[in-house]
Amino acid sequence: QKEVEQNSGPLSVPEGAIASLNCTYSDRGSQSFFWYRQYSGKSPELIMSIYSNGDKEDGRFTAQLNKASQYVSLLIRDSQPSDSATYLCAAPHSSASKIIFGSGTRLSIRP
Amino acid sequence: KAGVTQTPRYLIKTRGQQVTLSCSPISGHRSVSWYQQTPGQGLQFLFEYFSETQRNKGNFPGRFSGRQFSNSRSEMNVSTLELGDSALYLCASRDGRATNEKLFFGSGTQLSVL
Repeated sequence: QKEVEQNSGPLSVPEGAIASLNCTYSDRGSQSFFWYRQYSGKSPELIMSIYSNGDKEDGRFTAQLNKASQYVSLLIRDSQPSDSATYLCAAPHSSASKIIFGSGTRLSIRP
Repeated sequence: KAGVTQTPRYLIKTRGQQVTLSCSPISGHRSVSWYQQTPGQGLQFLFEYFSETQRNKGNFPGRFSGRQFSNSRSEMNVSTLELGDSALYLCASRDGRATNEKLFFGSGTQLSVL
């Protein structure tokens, strides 16, 4: 079992709709979670981090964490074509400082 | 502040050769992590260096090695290259004192092994 798992997609969402990206993790000791966005040919950049159960909102982005279910999600409201990218979920290993990434979900926003 | 700098940007090597990649972190950052990215595999953790010491290592063969210098610059070396080593190698830096810190990535080195 991979430590951080995501559906690879592609996930196709119409412009203006809500895009929902999901991630599960196996290490119950993980305390913090990150969402990175990676445009084609570019390096990943952090867009959201979440440490507590519940929702965290930042503009059009909402991260959701459920530690009991070991589940993290990212919602993108009012999706724009510029949101088309690969979204990577990441979590630090509980017994080490290394940060583990999922394989990423490719999101495509269709006009 | 200048961002994370990786050199070279592109490399073409043949099987059996060795290669050295370089990473200069953001000024003040003491942690440098290396990742391998291939299509469909996401970012695979190679190793992390903090204050010149390897702090963590991923599940890669011993052909992959690295080091960090006193100025926090890091190099990674791959010996006896195989076709499967073709990938984007990303370096990321952070302060390194806590695990909930943001990673700052360089532009990567695209390695092609022929």
